[in-house]
Amino acid sequence: QVQLVQSGAEVKQPGASVKVSCKASGYTFTSYIMHWVRQAPGQRLEWMGWINAGNGEIKYSQKFQGRVTITRDTSASIAYMELSSLRSEDTAVYYCARREPNTNNPFDPWGQGTLVTVSS
Amino acid sequence: QSALTQPASVSGSPGQSITISCTGSSSDVGSYNHLSWYQQHPGKAPKVMIYEGSKRPSGVSNRFSGSKSANTASLTISGLQPEDEADYYCCSYAGSGTWVFGGGTKLTVL
Repeated sequence: QVQLVQSGAEVKQPGASVKVSCKASGYTFTSYIMHWVRQAPGQRLEWMGWINAGNGEIKYSQKFQGRVTITRDTSASIAYMELSSLRSEDTAVYYCARREPNTNNPFDPWGQGTLVTVSS
Repeated sequence: QSALTQPASVSGSPGQSITISCTGSSSDVGSYNHLSWYQQHPGKAPKVMIYEGSKRPSGVSNRFSGSKSANTASLTISGLQPEDEADYYCCSYAGSGTWVFGGGTKLTVL
């Protein structure tokens, strides 16, 4: 079955960077786009960006431009999201979610989420 | 990109119907058919309930339905059940490869 499995929880100090991974299985990795969405405690979902796993095209939310880097390893079917210059407001659960390009299909499935805590 | 506007909370009794609205603009909801709804239980990842405004993925109960008119989308849940209690988020394509979520609505089944 289609599955996205994310890396484990992280605790980082302010100013550091964090890299979260999302390993895909059960489908052809390069045929889909991987999105990243975050959710601060008690807050709404917030779209961060995506990568086309096939051609490597990337798009970032303006809010995170300059701080976020999304990459992928096609040989291992893994997508990565790296966020730099962390501050306390970046404490959140980070999700990856798959979407089929050139369709109206939704984000489905989602990874289980990775809690990133930024604290000194 | 501003979040889409949803009511913070709605409630209903078992068996009743409720509707959650999602208001955007002509730059997002009003311009594209990429409108989806997600259900999120506490501590869990979101799950898609409606996509393309009104389509249900396989496995989603037909008690869930969606519609859209101009800049506003709606999610209706009929025959409320206790397990429907969750947070619900709408999401729309906003052009130029970007996406936007709503503020979320907490559904309480009384």
